[in-house]
Amino acid sequence: AQSVAQPEDQVNVAEGNPLTVKCTYSVSGNPYLFWYVQYPNRGLQFLLKYITGDNLVKGSYGFEAEFNKSQTSFHLKKPSALVSDSALYFCAVSAYSGAGSYQLTFGKGTKLSVIP
Amino acid sequence: DVKVTQSSRYLVKRTGEKVFLECVQDMDHENMFWYRQDPGLGLRLIYFSYDVKMKEKGDIPEGYSVSREKKERFSLILESASTNQTSMYLCASRYTPDRAYEQYFGPGTRLTVT
Repeated sequence: AQSVAQPEDQVNVAEGNPLTVKCTYSVSGNPYLFWYVQYPNRGLQFLLKYITGDNLVKGSYGFEAEFNKSQTSFHLKKPSALVSDSALYFCAVSAYSGAGSYQLTFGKGTKLSVIP
Repeated sequence: DVKVTQSSRYLVKRTGEKVFLECVQDMDHENMFWYRQDPGLGLRLIYFSYDVKMKEKGDIPEGYSVSREKKERFSLILESASTNQTSMYLCASRYTPDRAYEQYFGPGTRLTVT
């Protein structure tokens, strides 16, 4: 069965510093990986995805993620954090669930706090 | 622009009540999903629908049912609400079953069962 681990419940970073939110996964076959962000009292917003190709994926709001097949990781990064980046971040992997459909399995989320 | 709406942002119901949560998408998406979100547990899939009148159980379907009579609308039903169903409920939609497509989420309904 597929799974996603986000080893840090919370990440604190100073404004202007680089940030990393970690994600590791387990899935049969080629992984399709996603990052979502959730601001307080809001639904999830899609940030970026890895399907195939370049291991460095660029997404919305200046975020990027690095896919590492040997380490089964897909860490989210940003060169310079903003206070407005403070939110809950979810990593997810797409896996076959039967009925001809693929579903997302989510990690438990990492709360990012950017300190002014 | 992509839009998924949910009928209520906040809902308070009593134990034993029948509860309906409505979700509407305006993107002509084939697939629709219901998740619940609980602190420390992430998102868990309750039910999904890959087409009108079609439904499949997710990871935690017990105590829930769904209805999809029209392509744009997907309803989650709590037949007899219980306190352990107090949670944030998120609806999502996706263009096709293709695994490469992302899901689009509604704003969520925070349900409290007393």
